[in-house]
Amino acid sequence: EAQVTQNPRYLITVTGKKLTVTCSQNMNHEYMSWYRQDPGLGLRQIYYSMNVEVTDKGDVPEGYKVSRKEKRNFPLILESPSPNQTSLYFCASSLSGDEQFFGPGTRLTVL
Amino acid sequence: GENVEQHPSTLSVQEGDSAVIKCTYSDSASNYFPWYKQELGKGPQLIIDIRSNVGEKKDQRIAVTLNKTAKHFSLHITETQPEDSAVYFCAARRNWGKLQFGAGTQVVVTP
Repeated sequence: EAQVTQNPRYLITVTGKKLTVTCSQNMNHEYMSWYRQDPGLGLRQIYYSMNVEVTDKGDVPEGYKVSRKEKRNFPLILESPSPNQTSLYFCASSLSGDEQFFGPGTRLTVL
Repeated sequence: GENVEQHPSTLSVQEGDSAVIKCTYSDSASNYFPWYKQELGKGPQLIIDIRSNVGEKKDQRIAVTLNKTAKHFSLHITETQPEDSAVYFCAARRNWGKLQFGAGTQVVVTP
């Protein structure tokens, strides 16, 4: 089944404890992206990648890192999480940059 | 950068009636305008999109119109059904990779 998977789906952590949210797609898509969703703010793009080893900042990249070492994987790294990074995170992939296929989301709480 | 405003934030309609959601964008160079539907607990899913060289597009009960001069685009859902209840997001894109979303509209279809 063609899909985007994210892990973990839920995570509660404490300020400053490094964490990684994994994202994987099995559709051989070139393009991958990370978004955060907050009430009243919609989806805001954190980082995107147009191919392996090619990444660029979205609208809210501060406090996040990404890497694209393989085509199928695009992990999101929070080196020192803070409470304002409590949010619902979505990974997405796209073949052409048009239709994006979203993962199921990761709900992160930073205490 | 691009800024997308979406109205209304909530919309309650009677089953069988029509629903209209409107979005405006700021960057006149934006050329791709997708609409996503997000059901509770899931990631957004593309329902329809339109490019800047087209004024209207229809797919069964949903349609999107684009007015480039006024920089606004709208989603129209006719003959609404309970399964249309969801959050709808508009988005605009200028450059390949950078997608700007609106804040979302919660649509509730009452029987």
